[in-house]
Amino acid sequence: NAGVTQTPKFRVLKTGQSMTLLCAQDMNHEYMYWYRQDPGMGLRLIHYSVGEGTTAKGEVPDGYNVSRLKKQNFLLGLESAAPSQTSVYFCASSYYGTHQETQYFGPGTRLLVL
Amino acid sequence: SQKIEQNSEALNIQEGKTATLTCNYTNYSPAYLQWYRQDPGRGPVFLLLIRENEKEKRKERLKVTFDTTLKQSLFHITASQPADSATYLCALDELDNYGQNFVFGPGTRLSVLP
Repeated sequence: NAGVTQTPKFRVLKTGQSMTLLCAQDMNHEYMYWYRQDPGMGLRLIHYSVGEGTTAKGEVPDGYNVSRLKKQNFLLGLESAAPSQTSVYFCASSYYGTHQETQYFGPGTRLLVL
Repeated sequence: SQKIEQNSEALNIQEGKTATLTCNYTNYSPAYLQWYRQDPGRGPVFLLLIRENEKEKRKERLKVTFDTTLKQSLFHITASQPADSATYLCALDELDNYGQNFVFGPGTRLSVLP
């Protein structure tokens, strides 16, 4: 059981470039989440999905798009990267999105936008 | 506006002492509160969940309290060890159109000194 994996681990982009972050989970979880973590601000929810083929906006969705074509994968896209998107990105999953559900996090992707 | 605060950015204590971390919130009415541990370069790991009708929850050397009147949760680590050094995050549940999400505090970095 690999749990939640993220690809890549680290990436440097130039302003205006695009990229896709991949999250995969092997726990058959319905819910998947993308967060960004910045110093002093904690984890902020970007987008999430309540099941295959669904997506919803979180607290800070602007500049990002997501897709959940397969239950086990959740992709986060940056169409035109900006320096303000320099951050550490975490993917998480849970069986259902109820208050009692533990979220399982991936190891994170460090993104630097120059 | 909604806000979650964790007592201080960093807390240093001596090995063997009890560490007490605070999570305060305003303009939320959470029914559940979770605590996570995050080590440098890694994703958060779930520790404990407490419900609004539970005053206290324990797990080994960990104890969490939840006071909905004070809008505060306290997280205690007794007989602390250097291995307990990490950042600790609290998270509150928030109900939106798609179900329940968790909103995270900024975290407190705990250092247990030998």
